[in-house]
Amino acid sequence: DQQVKQNSPSLSVQEGRISILNCDYTNSMFDYFLWYKKYPAEGPTFLISISSIKDKNEDGRFTVFLNKSAKHLSLHIVPSQPGDSAVYFCARNNDMRFGAGTRLTVKP
Amino acid sequence: NAGVTQTPKFRILKIGQSMTLQCTQDMNHNYMYWYRQDPGMGLKLIYYSVGAGITDKGEVPNGYNVSRSTTEDFPLRLELAAPSQTSVYFCASRTGGDTEAFFGQGTRLTVV
Repeated sequence: DQQVKQNSPSLSVQEGRISILNCDYTNSMFDYFLWYKKYPAEGPTFLISISSIKDKNEDGRFTVFLNKSAKHLSLHIVPSQPGDSAVYFCARNNDMRFGAGTRLTVKP
Repeated sequence: NAGVTQTPKFRILKIGQSMTLQCTQDMNHNYMYWYRQDPGMGLKLIYYSVGAGITDKGEVPNGYNVSRSTTEDFPLRLELAAPSQTSVYFCASRTGGDTEAFFGQGTRLTVV
């Protein structure tokens, strides 16, 4: 039973445009969620988080939105840069379950 | 600080062999985790520990064992390697249950 789902395996956007990565979850009332970024041959690194008491959290070019009624969160990157090309994972904090990841490619 | 260190970085095992993947962290973190990532797939939790002497199963524990005798070390043991265990293994640690995790660089294991 996959409790954290990322249904888009890949996303390609043009440099300067917005990237939107999505994540759905089940079985969480109060928790917080984290996004990690992973480059090839490296371990994931923490990017941004959001608590279930908030709807939005922003850090520079990265914003995460949480829709509790829909059990959906999204990561917005604007403007997207070629260096943002990586695999992005969403994860649920309480049980450290990760989604399958979305490979983002930002084209110059 | 070195952070989370995993050794070895690469290993090829024959079917039926055993090995231990090492993981050490120097951040005095209580929580430690082992994940595997298969090609094109996400991170699957194998085992985790919330402190020295305490371990628990994750999503995919079969074929693996762990121990946590110290805060710093969390080795993962494969007793009878199988081709299905070919994967990249990541170790992670964090201070507590509400903070972000720090990951090692991974161990790429091939079982032939």
